[in-house]
Amino acid sequence: AQRVTQPEKLLSVFKGAPVELKCNYSYSGSPELFWYVQYSRQRLQLLLRHISRESIKGFTADLNKGETSFHLKKPFAQEEDSAMYYCALNNAGNMLTFGGGTRLMVKP
Amino acid sequence: NAGVMQNPRHLVRRRGQEARLRCSPMKGHSHVYWYRQLPEEGLKFMVYLQKENIIDESGMPKERFSAEFPKEGPSILRIQQVVRGDSAAYFCASSPTSAGRETQYFGPGTRLLVL
Repeated sequence: AQRVTQPEKLLSVFKGAPVELKCNYSYSGSPELFWYVQYSRQRLQLLLRHISRESIKGFTADLNKGETSFHLKKPFAQEEDSAMYYCALNNAGNMLTFGGGTRLMVKP
Repeated sequence: NAGVMQNPRHLVRRRGQEARLRCSPMKGHSHVYWYRQLPEEGLKFMVYLQKENIIDESGMPKERFSAEFPKEGPSILRIQQVVRGDSAAYFCASSPTSAGRETQYFGPGTRLLVL
């Protein structure tokens, strides 16, 4: 069975500080991993997926199969990054398994 | 493209009543997924449907819950005889195909409160 763990429910940083949101997964197959973000009063939206290896809004995430991790990083946090962040794994059957989410608060 | 639409956005029911949640996928999308988010928890998969077919319902409670995606019209998640534990946010997502692992696009959710 697959599982996604986000160990931090809340992460608070100051503007301009680096931020890392942790995500660990367990899955026996070849995983596809995503980060979704939910800004206040908005719907869940895709931030990035590991297969595309792109940077969105300054965020990057690298899949580390050895450590079974897909941590989300940004070198300099902005106040507008404050949101809920969800790590998710897609199995071959198209079911998304979500972590519990991390609330990022960027203080001025 | 209007995106995935869900209605109602908020629904209040008393114990024992029925709740019907609707989801209209994005234009051109024929795959619909329902997820439930209980308070303080992440989203949990419930069911995956294509037009007129249930593909995977492994996350659906065995009783009182059903889902459909008819040939015409929105997908419906139906909860019969609601109980307080059904209070949650219910999210619908859609994708264009099932080829590979397509990105799922989410609706705004329906927040169900059972009194």
